[in-house]
Amino acid sequence: EVRLLESGGGLVQPGGSLRLSCAASGFTFSTYAMNWVRQAPGKGLEWVLAISDSGGDTYYADSVKGRFTISRDNSKNTMYLQMNSLRAEDTAVYYCARRIPNYAMDVWGQGTTVTVSS
Amino acid sequence: DIQMTQSPSTLSASVGDRVTIICRASQSIDSWLAWYQQKPGKAPKLLISKASRLESGVPSRFSGSGSGTELTLTISSLQPDDFASYYCQQYYRYPLTFGGGTKVEIK
Repeated sequence: EVRLLESGGGLVQPGGSLRLSCAASGFTFSTYAMNWVRQAPGKGLEWVLAISDSGGDTYYADSVKGRFTISRDNSKNTMYLQMNSLRAEDTAVYYCARRIPNYAMDVWGQGTTVTVSS
Repeated sequence: DIQMTQSPSTLSASVGDRVTIICRASQSIDSWLAWYQQKPGKAPKLLISKASRLESGVPSRFSGSGSGTELTLTISSLQPDDFASYYCQQYYRYPLTFGGGTKVEIK
């Protein structure tokens, strides 16, 4: 079964840091680009970051540039999101999703919740 | 960045109705558009890619059309399981961008 499983969410104070993980199974992880998409409470979907299949290329939304870092370890079938300098507006459910070139995001994880609050 | 504008933001309809959701792009995206369905507390589900390609397992009452700057999602006969939120998303170029969403409610 093709599956993505996020972990690492939680409550963090403004200015703090958190690292999310996305563990993949059931497919050849190293052949897919991977993405993080978030959804603030009661709001729509917002794409935030992507990383190419090899990890050599990364893409960031302006809202997280300079604060968030995406990476992957293809030997562990896992993608990571390092979030620094967190703000209240980063509070959201964070989903990881896979994507092949020139295609949509076809498999999504169940999401992990990040709450930034004092 | 390419802005995606969806309309309407909310839609009230009855079972059996034909429903159309419009997605407008701030510049041409050819057919590089996906439609997702999301139910409360769940991850989005890919319905349609490349503007009109139905994903495996998605009922044929869903269809997508259009290219360039105006694209549409149509549900030919709304079923109880279809009451959900729908999002368009362009993947013509980074940053990937979503429309604001359309919530389909029971009338």
